[in-house]
Amino acid sequence: DAGVIQSPRHEVTEMGQEVTLRCKPISGHDYLFWYRQTMMRGLELLIYFNNNVPIDDSGMPEDRFSAKMPNASFSTLKIQPSEPRDSAVYFCASSYRSGDSGANVLTFGAGSRLTVL
Amino acid sequence: AQRVTQPEKLLSVFKGAPVELKCNYSYSGSPELFWYVQYSRQRLQLLLRHISRESIKGFTADLNKGETSFHLKKPFAQEEDSAMYYCALRHNFNKFYFGSGTKLNVKP
Repeated sequence: DAGVIQSPRHEVTEMGQEVTLRCKPISGHDYLFWYRQTMMRGLELLIYFNNNVPIDDSGMPEDRFSAKMPNASFSTLKIQPSEPRDSAVYFCASSYRSGDSGANVLTFGAGSRLTVL
Repeated sequence: AQRVTQPEKLLSVFKGAPVELKCNYSYSGSPELFWYVQYSRQRLQLLLRHISRESIKGFTADLNKGETSFHLKKPFAQEEDSAMYYCALRHNFNKFYFGSGTKLNVKP
């Protein structure tokens, strides 16, 4: 397995443009997480899915952010319109349920570095 | 509220010196804690978890419920240990909260 695959690796866009980040989780993993990494705040959980269903989106900063998981092998994080303060590295991670103990350890993608000018 | 605090953004030590990366947490239940590491140009990856009570790459971490701490320790730091370290807490089985991270710089 190639692991968690994210695209694009780097995105530079102008303020106001729509940004779509993509993630392919590890096959067989039933949890998918989106995180944002900044120098000031470290890693912040934005949203997570279980079996393609959004379970908790309380970390999504505002309505400009949306995430979908149309099937078990694909998820998107969309920002529309983008703003300079959205500049960060966005990580996708996946995990699987281990017995009755919920999501096991996270496997991270390489991240998508977003720069909004 | 659940929270993970890493008070040091940067920690610099010389090769061979002991290192301790601090992590404190606030959690109302029984916590499950992890350390993740991100080496330069590599992905964030699990280093160790407290329930395993293991030593990975010479690092250990002990959960101290009295002090609500999960500090990461290594008696003799190596240059290859230079990386970003994140402490994480798992909440309600599925949500993972991360600290803001500590950058460890091991000088030759």
